[in-house]
Amino acid sequence: SQTIHQWPATLVQPVGSPLSLECTVEGTSNPNLYWYRQAAGRGLQLLFYSVGIGQISSEVPQNLSASRPQDRQFILSSKKLLLSDSGFYLCAWKIRAGTGVGGYTFGSGTRLTVV
Amino acid sequence: KNQVEQSPQSLIILEGKNCTLQCNYTVSPFSNLRWYKQDTGRGPVSLTIMTFSENTKSNGRYTATLDADTKQSSLHITASQLSDSASYICVVSALRPREKLTFGTGTRLTIIP
Repeated sequence: SQTIHQWPATLVQPVGSPLSLECTVEGTSNPNLYWYRQAAGRGLQLLFYSVGIGQISSEVPQNLSASRPQDRQFILSSKKLLLSDSGFYLCAWKIRAGTGVGGYTFGSGTRLTVV
Repeated sequence: KNQVEQSPQSLIILEGKNCTLQCNYTVSPFSNLRWYKQDTGRGPVSLTIMTFSENTKSNGRYTATLDADTKQSSLHITASQLSDSASYICVVSALRPREKLTFGTGTRLTIIP
């Protein structure tokens, strides 16, 4: 069965420090991978998506970057965190092949607080 | 601009009662509509997925309806349980230029004993 792992669950980082959040998927190959951010009282916002190794698309300009060094690994990074980077970050995957009806499976999320 | 609006913003009901959550959308071209349940501090979990041609879909005590003409969907929860307390998020997908999801802000449902 397919599973998605996301860590850490919570993170408190000072302003200006670097960030690395990791997401891995098991039980599937060639997934589409996504990073979302959920701010309080707002819908999920797509930050990055990837359709393959080394292929990253950014949805919004921001202080963050993403990388996909392996087929089932997706990393969200920042060189210097801002206070506005605080939020709940969710990784998700979806089977690439077929129609758009397939489901998105989300990880358990990382609560990032920048202080 | 693609938008998804959910109502009510929050809802409190007694255990055992039924409730209905609403979702209105302006997403084009419409591909499908999903309902997710999100427990506090956790990732969303899929409840239902409906395409243009589907009017209703059930998943246990959850029943989703879709009216593609009026661009409305509802999620009906029957015989609520304490474990139903969560945020329920409506997500609408557009297909072009590629599949893109638009998320509602969710309805926060609290079930009280």
